[in-house]
Amino acid sequence: QTVVTQEPSFSVSPGGTVTLTCGLSSGSVSTDHYPSWYQRTPGHPPRTLILETNIRSSGVPDRFSGSILGNKAALTITGAQADDESDYFCVLYVASGFWMFGGGTKLTVL
Amino acid sequence: EVQLVESGGGLVQPGGSLRLSCAASGFKFNINWMTWIRQTPGKGLEWVATINPGGNPIYYVESVEGRFIISRDNAKSSLYLEMNSLRVEDAAVYFCATAREYGFGDYWGQGTLVTVSA
Repeated sequence: QTVVTQEPSFSVSPGGTVTLTCGLSSGSVSTDHYPSWYQRTPGHPPRTLILETNIRSSGVPDRFSGSILGNKAALTITGAQADDESDYFCVLYVASGFWMFGGGTKLTVL
Repeated sequence: EVQLVESGGGLVQPGGSLRLSCAASGFKFNINWMTWIRQTPGKGLEWVATINPGGNPIYYVESVEGRFIISRDNAKSSLYLEMNSLRVEDAAVYFCATAREYGFGDYWGQGTLVTVSA
């Protein structure tokens, strides 16, 4: 069974840069998987960050960027801020009419 | 301002039914794909169903196929999720969100809680 993989946790220093990744247990991630990224903070609905690999959602600062790095999708946060501390989820279009979330990465800013 | 407001959640016994609604405003609902996504404490976020602007095609995650029905009323700018034969594992916060043909979109509702328990 296909699994979308993410690092369970990551930490970054304030002002630093961090790259979170999103992989597929069954192979490589490409733009054909239309990777997207979401931020989930307790008590709030998910916030869309990146669509279709690298399209920033409305209102998302350019500190957030999406790409394909090697065989994975990637979310890079530059100039990390305290309120970036959150859970980050990726989604992949893994088959016709089927989407799958990764397990999420808990990002700590300290 | 884009708004998505879910309603219809609540407590239901296993085997029961619920109908969730999502009232949309602030954007052209009738040309947008729409989707339902749920979050459980144990399983994280899970895509549930997606519907084309015209109502076809429709896609479901395997675990709800045959039990849940996604539908929309473009005249009312509303999205629905009819949930039947509910199981304990269906308990979650259900979000409606805008979508695209190959993914999700920019906007999410606040969510509505569904509890399935005897």
